[in-house]
Amino acid sequence: IAGITQAPTSQILAAGRRMTLRCTQDMRHNAMYWYRQDLGLGLRLIHYSNTAGTTGKGEVPDGYSVSRANTDDFPLTLASAVPSQTSVYFCASSDVAGGGLDEQFFGPGTRLTVL
Amino acid sequence: GQNIDQPTEMTATEGAIVQINCTYQTSGFNGLFWYQQHAGEAPTFLSYNVLDGLEEKGRFSSFLSRSKGYSYLLLKELQMKDSASYLCAVRDSNYQLIWGAGTKLIIKP
Repeated sequence: IAGITQAPTSQILAAGRRMTLRCTQDMRHNAMYWYRQDLGLGLRLIHYSNTAGTTGKGEVPDGYSVSRANTDDFPLTLASAVPSQTSVYFCASSDVAGGGLDEQFFGPGTRLTVL
Repeated sequence: GQNIDQPTEMTATEGAIVQINCTYQTSGFNGLFWYQQHAGEAPTFLSYNVLDGLEEKGRFSSFLSRSKGYSYLLLKELQMKDSASYLCAVRDSNYQLIWGAGTKLIIKP
């Protein structure tokens, strides 16, 4: 693994189903993030984690949950998918949460369609 | 509220220079980032400004004026591969990135 990986690459999901998007990084970064990207809108933060064992809510957390059991993995779960959750989902990580350059590195994204 | 504004789309000619502007209103300021995103791909980091002035990195430069809430990304000697979206993002007082919608840059031969 090099950088950040996400799975699946794409998924079509029936409304009401539960879905977990996976994200794994091998850079030993402290902080991880989940964004959604919709046409005409900027990336919007769903949830974040500054360090293993802690999580926080972003701008659009409703309908999503996350966990951070270890440094490398940061799964995003949709408990009961709705069509408005159709989007491209990006996972990102950064070395230190706060201060300095702290650039975020992005995974390749998951394209999710909820019907 | 927090707001990042950038033009939706710009067109430029191969070999020319283009300037992409970004204005922002955020709760606090802890740096401004520019990312490049090719269609269907992930954003990749281009530049970072935290102090006023110009940061130069090869063909790309980024400028910041904190008093005006303004930044621009300058791309010189445009190449076809520069066709992409350019995302402006500001790190706010909570150290979270607030993102603009992106500027789609179209390069014509």
